[in-house]
Amino acid sequence: NAGVMQNPRHLVRRRGQEARLRCSPMKGHSHVYWYRQLPEEGLKFMVYLQKENIIDESGMPKERFSAEFPKEGPSILRIQQVVRGDSAAYFCASSPTGGHTDTQYFGPGTRLTVL
Amino acid sequence: AQSVAQPEDQVNVAEGNPLTVKCTYSVSGNPYLFWYVQYPNRGLQFLLKYITGDNLVKGSYGFEAEFNKSQTSFHLKKPSALVSDSALYFCAVSPVGGSASKIIFGSGTRLSIRP
Repeated sequence: NAGVMQNPRHLVRRRGQEARLRCSPMKGHSHVYWYRQLPEEGLKFMVYLQKENIIDESGMPKERFSAEFPKEGPSILRIQQVVRGDSAAYFCASSPTGGHTDTQYFGPGTRLTVL
Repeated sequence: AQSVAQPEDQVNVAEGNPLTVKCTYSVSGNPYLFWYVQYPNRGLQFLLKYITGDNLVKGSYGFEAEFNKSQTSFHLKKPSALVSDSALYFCAVSPVGGSASKIIFGSGTRLSIRP
């Protein structure tokens, strides 16, 4: 049973380019969460999605950032016109039901570097 | 506001000695508490969680955590540390009420086990 998959593991972009981060949840999980981790800091919640729906995007910056979880395929976190401050590790997690007591299982992360 | 605090940035322990990583929380209602571990350049791995019941929770790799409601703490413990336990440890809480989405993470404690 494969765990949460994320790709790419490392992504380098120049300022103004677009970054697309992909996440495939664990088999049987239909709830996906995206977090951002700055160096030497904890993870900060960004967005929570179920298939074809955004449930909670309260942690997502209002501009340039978007997320989707289509009926088929992985969840995508998209950052348009990247800036240096977007450099961070982005982690995806998944859970089976989305309940408060659910354990979220994390992927290995995508490390975004903006030059 | 609901939050988690990890008062120690770093904990240093000799191999074979007991270790404690501290965590305190501030939530309304009953807390759902988690511990995760992060190895260098890896995602977070789930260690254990407290939902209800016995205050002493046993988890992976010989770790355990004690829920103390009066002190609002959820310290992580291990009777005998291993060098391989060296990693970054995060305490987290799943807020009760509202969207069952985000986990709120502490800032992390770096555990260093010396041979």
